[in-house]
Amino acid sequence: AQSVTQPDIHITVSEGASLELRCNYSYGATPYLFWYVQSPGQGLQLLLKYFSGDTLVQGIKGFEAEFKRSQSSFNLRKPSVHWSDAAEYFCAVGSNDYKLSFGAGTTVTVRA
Amino acid sequence: DTAVSQTPKYLVTQMGNDKSIKCEQNLGHDTMYWYKQDSKKFLKIMFSYNNKELIINETVPNRFSPKSPDKAHLNLHINSLELGDSAVYFCASSQGTPLGYTDTQYFGPGTRLTVL
Repeated sequence: AQSVTQPDIHITVSEGASLELRCNYSYGATPYLFWYVQSPGQGLQLLLKYFSGDTLVQGIKGFEAEFKRSQSSFNLRKPSVHWSDAAEYFCAVGSNDYKLSFGAGTTVTVRA
Repeated sequence: DTAVSQTPKYLVTQMGNDKSIKCEQNLGHDTMYWYKQDSKKFLKIMFSYNNKELIINETVPNRFSPKSPDKAHLNLHINSLELGDSAVYFCASSQGTPLGYTDTQYFGPGTRLTVL
């Protein structure tokens, strides 16, 4: 069975600083990986996804993620955070039975 | 244009009541889902329908019953509500490709259910 671990429960970053959120996955086959963002009181919005090809994936809102098979990781990065990036971030892995397994999420707080 | 919509956004009710949450998607997708997000923000799949057929049915109490009148709608009916049912329930939809794991799921805004 697939699983996702997000080691950081909470990250605080200054506005304008860089951000990296960690995600490790466990899946027996080729992983299909996603990052979603949930703003306070909102639903989940897809930031980016990785299926195959270039291991550096660009997403919306200036985010990117890098797939590293050797480390079973799919870390999310943003070079310069904005106050509006304060949210909950979820990494997820898709399986061939349509199930999307989510990590526990990382809360990002942005300080002025 | 809202892609995946849910009603109501908030639902406050007493223990023992029966309630429904409605979900509609206008993306033309074949597959729809219900997720439960608990107080620790952990998201877990409950059900999934593909073209009105149930394809995922996780370990969920049988007080929860999904109903899909057509492929654009997936409603969730909950009988005899309990305190532990308090959570945020998200509906989602995806295209329903044969390789299910490549599907991108699009989420609704959520329904916050509070059982008193």
